[in-house]
Amino acid sequence: SQQGEEDPQALSIQEGENATMNCSYKTSINNLQWYRQNSGRGLVHLILIRSNEREKHSGRLRVTLDTSKKSSSLLITASRAADTASYFCAIVGGSNYKLTFGKGTLLTVNP
Amino acid sequence: SQTIHQWPATLVQPVGSPLSLECTVEGTSNPNLYWYRQAAGRGLQLLFYSVGIGQISSEVPQNLSASRPQDRQFILSSKKLLLSDSGFYLCAWSPRGAGNEQFFGPGTRLTVL
Repeated sequence: SQQGEEDPQALSIQEGENATMNCSYKTSINNLQWYRQNSGRGLVHLILIRSNEREKHSGRLRVTLDTSKKSSSLLITASRAADTASYFCAIVGGSNYKLTFGKGTLLTVNP
Repeated sequence: SQTIHQWPATLVQPVGSPLSLECTVEGTSNPNLYWYRQAAGRGLQLLFYSVGIGQISSEVPQNLSASRPQDRQFILSSKKLLLSDSGFYLCAWSPRGAGNEQFFGPGTRLTVL
């Protein structure tokens, strides 16, 4: 299956701490994307990292990709209560129009 | 800037009734369009995608169908709803081409009773 799988399923931290979420997959990819979803809302695109890239940053977000281990991680630094949401990784394999999403990590940041 | 609209926001329908969910995109041309369903506490399941007017690819054979009558309009339909059709339906668009980031609408919460 091309589906990405996030780990952990749920994560609870205190405001100011860092949060790390992982995504593993089984096939070769063109790129891997991270999305955020607040409860009952649509998804918001965070970062896209291509198969030939190893690390990308956007504000407090840092994404790494290790194609040899078929895994990616999303790090949120100095977390805030407003970061509370579900985070999904999605993979694109080859010349493909489709994203295949994992089941997500529910992040709770306690004030 | 681009915006994506979905309606209705919530819908309660009896089993066996028809369904029509609409999605429109503004501010872009020739987008790829997608319909997803999300069950409670789960990831997204791709239902249909379209790379052009009248071009629909179905990912999961089921009780639903999709149409793209105009470049920026994507419609999800059913002739007879099942209980299992309940869920959160999300429409998304992406720029032309493969593998691009997707931009999601606010979603429709469908409850079939």
